[in-house]
Amino acid sequence: SQELEQSPQSLIVQEGKNLTINCTSSKTLYGLYWYKQKYGEGLIFLMMLQKGGEEKSHEKITAKLDEKKQQSSLHITASQPSHAGIYLCGADRGQGGSEKLVFGKGMKLTVNP
Amino acid sequence: KAGVTQTPRYLIKTRGQQVTLSCSPISGHRSVSWYQQTPGQGLQFLFEYFSETQRNKGNFPGRFSGRQFSNSRSEMNVSTLELGDSALYLCASSLGRGLQETQYFGPGTRLLVL
Repeated sequence: SQELEQSPQSLIVQEGKNLTINCTSSKTLYGLYWYKQKYGEGLIFLMMLQKGGEEKSHEKITAKLDEKKQQSSLHITASQPSHAGIYLCGADRGQGGSEKLVFGKGMKLTVNP
Repeated sequence: KAGVTQTPRYLIKTRGQQVTLSCSPISGHRSVSWYQQTPGQGLQFLFEYFSETQRNKGNFPGRFSGRQFSNSRSEMNVSTLELGDSALYLCASSLGRGLQETQYFGPGTRLLVL
């Protein structure tokens, strides 16, 4: 089973609408990263959350980390076509993990003008 | 500062051939990781190099190998290519290799195996 589950898998919204993406981990979170990817391109770093309850914002994007639920949410306010892309969450495996980061399958966002 | 660069950006090979991909990290970054991204499996970790030594390895066959040079530049090699190796190969660099070190990704190399 996937270690990081993202929901929804895809979303189509009208420009100006707010939306929330969730990332739930089946294992303890040591650090949670959010990246954005345009189709076929590299990942753009958005933000990293380290501690439970931490909340960070960048422009119209806010991410929160709920350590108890092992979940992070990414909220976009007043979406714009420039927000379209694939949003990926990644997590540190912590000490003893063989992988640098594990990633969710991604959430594809379409914003219609 | 220049970002992570990867060459080539696109590559077409046939089954049985081998391929070498190159990654130049952000200046000052010493850790380089490689990932494979496919529609079916998503983004999967291949390996990580730090100070010219492989530190971590994902669950990939021995046909996938890599190395890191003294200037932190890294290459990955795939031998005896299979159709299933068609993917976007992403390289990421970070300052160090501790926990919660942010990784910055390059644009990727898209490999098509025919």
